[in-house]
Amino acid sequence: KQEVTQIPAALSVPEGENLVLNCSFTDSAIYNLQWFRQDPGKGLTSLLLIQSSQREQTSGRLNASLDKSSGRSTLYIAASQPGDSATYLCAVTNGNQFYFGTGTSLTVIP
Amino acid sequence: DTAVSQTPKYLVTQMGNDKSIKCEQNLGHDTMYWYKQDSKKFLKIMFSYNNKELIINETVPNRFSPKSPDKAHLNLHINSLELGDSAVYFCASSQDSRGGWETQYFGPGTRLLVL
Repeated sequence: KQEVTQIPAALSVPEGENLVLNCSFTDSAIYNLQWFRQDPGKGLTSLLLIQSSQREQTSGRLNASLDKSSGRSTLYIAASQPGDSATYLCAVTNGNQFYFGTGTSLTVIP
Repeated sequence: DTAVSQTPKYLVTQMGNDKSIKCEQNLGHDTMYWYKQDSKKFLKIMFSYNNKELIINETVPNRFSPKSPDKAHLNLHINSLELGDSAVYFCASSQDSRGGWETQYFGPGTRLLVL
C-alpha cells in the first residue's frame, strides 16, 4: 500500500528565507505527484503538478522536483512571505486513488 | 464496505443536458467535498459541506449546484452541460476540516464525457 510521508511536520521561518519541504512515497509506480496548500477551514488549493515523466515544475516562487526512482519530491519556496503560512500537502496518484501525505504546517514570521 | 461511493462511475451525455452525480459516505464524517480533475490531472476543489452546510464554494459556474440532503450525502447537479465540463469528478469526506487538515477519503471518481 502506498504511504506518503512529509518532513518536517511543522516549520517556522522568518520572512524572506528560502525553504524546502520534503515528501516521500513508498511505491514509485505513480501517475503524478501534486502539491497543495490548505488554509484553515478551507479546501485544498493546487500549487504544482508533476507528471511521472517530469523532473520538476515551477510556478512563481515555487519549484517542485520529483525523483520517482527514489520516491521523493521537494517543494522549494523562495523568499517566503507571511501569506505563505499554511499547511502544505503532497499527494500521489496511481490514476485511480489519491494518497495524501501527512502535511507540513508552515509559519512565516513577519 | 465502500467508505465513499459515487454513482455513476461513467457518464456520457450530450451538450445541453442536465445530469446529477451522487455521493455517499458511510464513515460518519461531518465534511464532504466535490473536486474536479481536469485533463491535465489537476485536482481542484469545487464545493465543501460541513454537516449539510455549505462552507466552500469556489469559483465554478452557476450551472453546478451541490445538494446535501443529509451529512452522509452530497450530490452534484449540473445544468446545461458543456464540452468543457468533461472531467473526472471526485467526492471526498473528512471528519472535519474547519480546524485544519484532516485526512480526506476519496470516492472512485465519476468520469463525465460531454459530447
